[in-house]
Amino acid sequence: DAGITQSPRHKVTETGTPVTLRCHQTENHRYMYWYRQDPGHGLRLIHYSYGVKDTDKGEVSDGYSVSRSKTEDFLLTLESATSSQTSVYFCAISESGSNQPQHFGDGTRLSIL
Amino acid sequence: KQEVTQIPAALSVPEGENLVLNCSFTDSAIYNLQWFRQDPGKGLTSLLLIQSSQREQTSGRLNASLDKSSGRSTLYIAASQPGDSATYLCAVRRNAGNMLTFGGGTRLMVKP
Repeated sequence: DAGITQSPRHKVTETGTPVTLRCHQTENHRYMYWYRQDPGHGLRLIHYSYGVKDTDKGEVSDGYSVSRSKTEDFLLTLESATSSQTSVYFCAISESGSNQPQHFGDGTRLSIL
Repeated sequence: KQEVTQIPAALSVPEGENLVLNCSFTDSAIYNLQWFRQDPGKGLTSLLLIQSSQREQTSGRLNASLDKSSGRSTLYIAASQPGDSATYLCAVRRNAGNMLTFGGGTRLMVKP
């Protein structure tokens, strides 16, 4: 298994609070990604990073920000959590190159009440 | 906009059967297509990646094919086992950017 650790694994919080999810990798891969998985919508990309301090938006980036200050860590922040952001969040990593597979972490289940 | 569809949404088969899972996509301008397996409450496990220039890839009892021009891929599972029970997802990578677009998945149950 790819060395990807997501923390926390589960979190319950209230509407309006900020939330930060962490993804840590031990593979030294250049690319890191944040996805959310929802029934009826499947997996959708939120943001991704192609290097330290280099990030770009995905399909559903509104209400989310990311930061990558070290190769191994990619943080996802919900600036003011809303109930629509209740979801399962997955981090993925991949090496450089257009034909490298993405490998996924075990996910964070986030509930916003 | 790329759309990826997986049919059927669910499939139940007896142990030992050979089976085919289908994946279709609307835009043939892809870099590659990746098949994943997801167990309940778990992350995704990468099974196979087919590059746009390839026709098929094999790993053990799994064989994935790609027909880019028709926008279709199939995942063939030989001699299915109860341990193969999971949701299978396909995802395509577009030419531009690193985004994977996922299908909705096929939930497979293999009965002993």
